Amino acid sequence: QKEVEQDPGPLSVPEGAIVSLNCTYSNSAFQYFMWYRQYSRKGPELLMYTYSSGNKEDGRFTAQVDKSSKYISLFIRDSQPSDSATYLCAMIKGAQKLVFGQGTRLTINP
Amino acid sequence: EAGVAQSPRYKIIEKRQSVAFWCNPISGHATLYWYQQILGQGPKLLIQFQNNGVVDDSQLPKDRFSAERLKGVDSTLKIQPAKLEDSAVYLCASSPRDSGSSYNSPLHFGNGTRLTVT
Repeated sequence: QKEVEQDPGPLSVPEGAIVSLNCTYSNSAFQYFMWYRQYSRKGPELLMYTYSSGNKEDGRFTAQVDKSSKYISLFIRDSQPSDSATYLCAMIKGAQKLVFGQGTRLTINP
Repeated sequence: EAGVAQSPRYKIIEKRQSVAFWCNPISGHATLYWYQQILGQGPKLLIQFQNNGVVDDSQLPKDRFSAERLKGVDSTLKIQPAKLEDSAVYLCASSPRDSGSSYNSPLHFGNGTRLTVT
């Protein structure tokens, strides 16, 4: 079993829709949770990070962590074609290395 | 600030040949990482340097992969000999802080080198 599971998609939604991206994890030692966005033929870039259970909002993006269920989500409101990318969840335990999910390929259709 | 620079962008080689990738991190960043990203998968850490010392190389296939970071700045990743399963994007990343702070000291990735082994 992988430490971090993420549905690879692909996910295709119309412009303006609310997008929900999710990851589950198996190791309760994970403490810090991040979402990276990766455009085609580019390196990943950090979108959001959070530590505690609950919600964190940044513009159209909301990161949600439920440690009791070992489940994290990223919501995108009013999705735009420019949001089309692969979204990678990542998490870290203590001082250890980042563990990435498989990534979900998202397409926003105009 | 200038981003993480990597070269070459693309490389095609035959199996059993050797190949080298180069990375120049963001100026002043102490920590440098090499990741392997196979198509359709998330990045997997190969090696992490703190200045010019190795912090973690537990997932580096040391029989064929080697990496160095001379003078704590640029880094080179080498594969010799290459296998078909080495086909992937090799990403270099850097961060300003030490290895224990990547959650609030985000990694800055380069655009990677896409390696195809035929």
